[in-house]
Amino acid sequence: DAGVIQSPRHEVTEMGQEVTLRCKPISGHDYLFWYRQTMMRGLELLIYFNNNVPIDDSGMPEDRFSAKMPNASFSTLKIQPSEPRDSAVYFCASRGIRTEAFFGQGTRLTVV
Amino acid sequence: AQRVTQPEKLLSVFKGAPVELKCNYSYSGSPELFWYVQYSRQRLQLLLRHISRESIKGFTADLNKGETSFHLKKPFAQEEDSAMYYCALSGAGSGNTPLVFGKGTRLSVIA
Repeated sequence: DAGVIQSPRHEVTEMGQEVTLRCKPISGHDYLFWYRQTMMRGLELLIYFNNNVPIDDSGMPEDRFSAKMPNASFSTLKIQPSEPRDSAVYFCASRGIRTEAFFGQGTRLTVV
Repeated sequence: AQRVTQPEKLLSVFKGAPVELKCNYSYSGSPELFWYVQYSRQRLQLLLRHISRESIKGFTADLNKGETSFHLKKPFAQEEDSAMYYCALSGAGSGNTPLVFGKGTRLSVIA
């Protein structure tokens, strides 16, 4: 297995544009997590899914953020409209019942 | 509420010196504790978990429930240990509650 795969690795966009981040979890993992990493706040949990169902989205900062998991092998995190303060590294992670969480390489988002 | 506190944002040590990265937690049940490491511009990867009670790359961490701590230690730091270290907590035995991370400590090992 190639591990958790995120795309794109880097995204530069203009304020107001829609941004979509993608994640492919490790096959067989039941849980998928989206985290945001910034210098000021460290790693923050945004939302997580269990068996494709959103369980807790209380970490999603605003209504501009939304996440979906249409099937067990794909999830998206969307920001619409994007703002400069959304600039961060966004990590996706997946976890099985008795495994630790495995992280993707992250998407570095810059909103100018 | 679950909370993980890493009091030091930056820790600089000389090569060969002992290292201790501090981690304190707050959790009402039985937690599972982890240390993750992130080398420059790479993904986070698991360093160790308390239930394994193993030593990875010379690092060890002991869960102290009385002090609610899970400090990471290494007797002799090496330059390649320079990285960001995150302590994390998850609820144990109740399914997979998500990992809650501390804000991280950047370890810099000076030659």
